Amino acid sequence: ETGVTQSPTHLIKTRGQQVTLRCSSQSGHNTVSWYQQALGQGPQFIFQYYREEENGRGNFPPRFSGLQFPNYSSELNVNALELDDSALYLCASSPDYFETQYFGPGTRLLVL
Amino acid sequence: GIQVEQSPPDLILQEGANSTLRCNFSDSVNNLQWFHQNPWGQLINLFYIPSGTKQNGRLSATTVATERYSLLYISSSQTTDSGVYFCAETRGTYKYIFGTGTRLKVLA
Repeated sequence: ETGVTQSPTHLIKTRGQQVTLRCSSQSGHNTVSWYQQALGQGPQFIFQYYREEENGRGNFPPRFSGLQFPNYSSELNVNALELDDSALYLCASSPDYFETQYFGPGTRLLVL
Repeated sequence: GIQVEQSPPDLILQEGANSTLRCNFSDSVNNLQWFHQNPWGQLINLFYIPSGTKQNGRLSATTVATERYSLLYISSSQTTDSGVYFCAETRGTYKYIFGTGTRLKVLA
């Protein structure tokens, strides 16, 4: 139990739609990171938010965007969904941006 | 860029057996961590081990930073050890760069 929760657990969308995934960090953690894990691969870094500002971004297009709120919750938004966006999306929170990250259980997204 | 390779890619053990998983880096090791991903997808932190040796119960890990590798030892394996083991390094913006993973199945 890491204290990090994500919703929903599973989601099915169709190509071209938009999706919002949610994460609730551990209380007191001011940093949240999002990762995409395709089937059979390791997680890939999408971006990190530190004190509500983006603090680094991986090799993902601008249609992947995020928000972090003062109440330790955060969102990952994906516009114009593509079939290749089907994956497990993981959020991770940490007390500070340079400290160990603790992962939530993930949201499984299927794009048809 | 950083390349993180793990071996073996797949491993099948009988319950009670021991195993060693390896993680090789192409650049200098920094902030190395080992994770276990259970069959439901949850990533669990096992060790933060940029150098030296640590032990936690049946698990132990050793990182030799000068030779760019880390080892995870699992002793007396149990079926609950099944899943995928990842090593990961952080640098720059403190993103984790994950290895290719070792898929472990422990048979009863």
